[in-house]
Amino acid sequence: GAVVSQHPSRVICKSGTSVKIECRSLDFQATTMFWYRQFPKQSLMLMATSNEGSKATYEQGVEKDKFLINHASLTLSTLTVTSAHPEDSSFYICSARVGSGRAYNEQFFGPGTRLTVL
Amino acid sequence: AQSVAQPEDQVNVAEGNPLTVKCTYSVSGNPYLFWYVQYPNRGLQFLLKYITGDNLVKGSYGFEAEFNKSQTSFHLKKPSALVSDSALYFCAVRDSGSGGYQKVTFGTGTKLQVIP
Repeated sequence: GAVVSQHPSRVICKSGTSVKIECRSLDFQATTMFWYRQFPKQSLMLMATSNEGSKATYEQGVEKDKFLINHASLTLSTLTVTSAHPEDSSFYICSARVGSGRAYNEQFFGPGTRLTVL
Repeated sequence: AQSVAQPEDQVNVAEGNPLTVKCTYSVSGNPYLFWYVQYPNRGLQFLLKYITGDNLVKGSYGFEAEFNKSQTSFHLKKPSALVSDSALYFCAVRDSGSGGYQKVTFGTGTKLQVIP
């Protein structure tokens, strides 16, 4: 099946620094990637949708200048948390939508990145 | 707007007994329905989906779900629970819609606890 990887799986940083999280579709091309945030014991909240080669579409209430998304290729999207603060600590999950083939339009999820801001 | 409701925060079931995790949905068009499982500090793993066809969908690890259009439900079931099934389960819906890909909306999750 389709595999989505995230790197790093866990990151601890100091307040005020920026952190970049990578999301890769390993064996398929993803026309669209999604970034979610999950708070403890809560559901996934969609932060933004990114399409390859174009600007990301952010959900209401998500600061686009704080959460920078770049979808440079059909297999890679990055989320950069700029000037991170403790309240940004969360579990970030990406997913990728299959662009063609048997699994067309299915979404596959990455394993998540645990961000802790001290 | 589409929505998903998982009315139970937690379901407890004895090992070997059948389990049901409830889900109801609301969409304007025809629904695409999904179940995912999440283990601690892990991403979501796909269990099964309903797109069209048979109302009873069979998925991974012996799970199945029944699509009921009149009740707008898509309950997850398994005939015999295993301790290793203990995890967080998410129901999700996407409007089949027209004019492009629609976003997936997740329920709030149900924690399944299988008691040995």
